[in-house]
Amino acid sequence: AQSVTQLDSHVSVSEGTPVLLRCNYSSSYSPSLFWYVQHPNKGLQLLLKYTSAATLVKGINGFEAEFKKSETSFHLTKPSAHMSDAAEYFCVVSSTNFGNEKLTFGTGTRLTIIP
Amino acid sequence: DSGVTQTPKHLITATGQRVTLRCSPRSGDLSVYWYQQSLDQGLQFLIQYYNGEERAKGNILERFSAQQFPDLHSELNLSSLELGDSALYFCASSGQGAHEQFFGPGTRLTVL
Repeated sequence: AQSVTQLDSHVSVSEGTPVLLRCNYSSSYSPSLFWYVQHPNKGLQLLLKYTSAATLVKGINGFEAEFKKSETSFHLTKPSAHMSDAAEYFCVVSSTNFGNEKLTFGTGTRLTIIP
Repeated sequence: DSGVTQTPKHLITATGQRVTLRCSPRSGDLSVYWYQQSLDQGLQFLIQYYNGEERAKGNILERFSAQQFPDLHSELNLSSLELGDSALYFCASSGQGAHEQFFGPGTRLTVL
């Protein structure tokens, strides 16, 4: 069984300040982890992925995430928020079991950027 | 642009009706996935197809069915529609051995 917990449903930061979106996961298998972003009325876009290589993963638009096995966490960070970062962010865990790829989504964190 | 296309973008229909949503995966991707996103349930995995065969099932209702055709496009059929079926339906695709999925823009279904 696998699950994802996004610890904050809403996060508000001022433009130019750091962003931290928290995610904890649980997985019976060696997981792959992802962050997806969804802008209003748009589909989901892959921000970054962890697939058992480097634990610090860099993604698009200046985002990065660190895989910490001991803490079962995969928090998303960005040094300086931009107005265009306002969106919903989903932490996702994936496991492949007998060739079946299963994604489990967190409930999402809505990021608001204050001008 | 992810390379995954979905039609139609919007669909408005009445309770009891049947609709078909269509998805074309990225070129070369063999796997297609269907998801439902609603305010109360969040993002739910419905079903996966791989090269024409059903591979995995999630929280898909018996009133819903899907198939993947030889050209790899997929259709999701929703029948006996209820008000609660109103949601965004996403299709995603992935390549062989790849873990990440690429999502289409979605079809917004409204059941009146």
